[in-house]
Amino acid sequence: TQLLEQSPQFLSIQEGENLTVYCNSSSVFSSLQWYRQEPGEGPVLLVTVVTGGEVKKLKRLTFQFGDARKDSSLHITAAQPGDTGLYLCAGARGSQGNLIFGKGTKLSVKP
Amino acid sequence: NAGVTQTPKFRILKIGQSMTLQCTQDMNHNYMYWYRQDPGMGLKLIYYSVGAGITDKGEVPNGYNVSRSTTEDFPLRLELAAPSQTSVYFCASSAAWAGEYNEQFFGPGTRLTVL
Repeated sequence: TQLLEQSPQFLSIQEGENLTVYCNSSSVFSSLQWYRQEPGEGPVLLVTVVTGGEVKKLKRLTFQFGDARKDSSLHITAAQPGDTGLYLCAGARGSQGNLIFGKGTKLSVKP
Repeated sequence: NAGVTQTPKFRILKIGQSMTLQCTQDMNHNYMYWYRQDPGMGLKLIYYSVGAGITDKGEVPNGYNVSRSTTEDFPLRLELAAPSQTSVYFCASSAAWAGEYNEQFFGPGTRLTVL
């Protein structure tokens, strides 16, 4: 059973389009992190959300944590080829314990 | 400041061979992790360590062993390699439990093929 479900699994869009990817669970998380992984490299942290309903913006990327802290979304405005990569969400349950990773959304932005 | 480094970058093993994947971090992090990443399967935790001399099993530890004799190094040992261990292996470190105030820093990965 996958604790964190990410959707869609794959997404291929044209440059300039908007998109949203989702990270859902039936469990509550104390915090949730989004990582981006480029081909041939390790994941790199984009953002951490902690409070239910929290919205964080990172240039063209907007992250939201659900009110009940069971889900999160990542919205990208005017996607660019540099946004191409695998987007992973990872949840923490409490102040101790390992992160639980979703399977990821593989995004391809074509020029 | 190199962060997390891993060697080798690529390796092909024959069934039954053994090898050690090296991982070193220079951030003085107490917490270190080994993950494997299979296509479409995300990251699965193999082993982790919360400090020198302390290691513990993750989600998929079978077929692997680790040791943590120093803060900097966390090698992963594969004994009797099997085709099911073909994967990309990532080492990561963090200052404390990753989550609200801490991120995990990942190495560039080791791509292992077992034939």
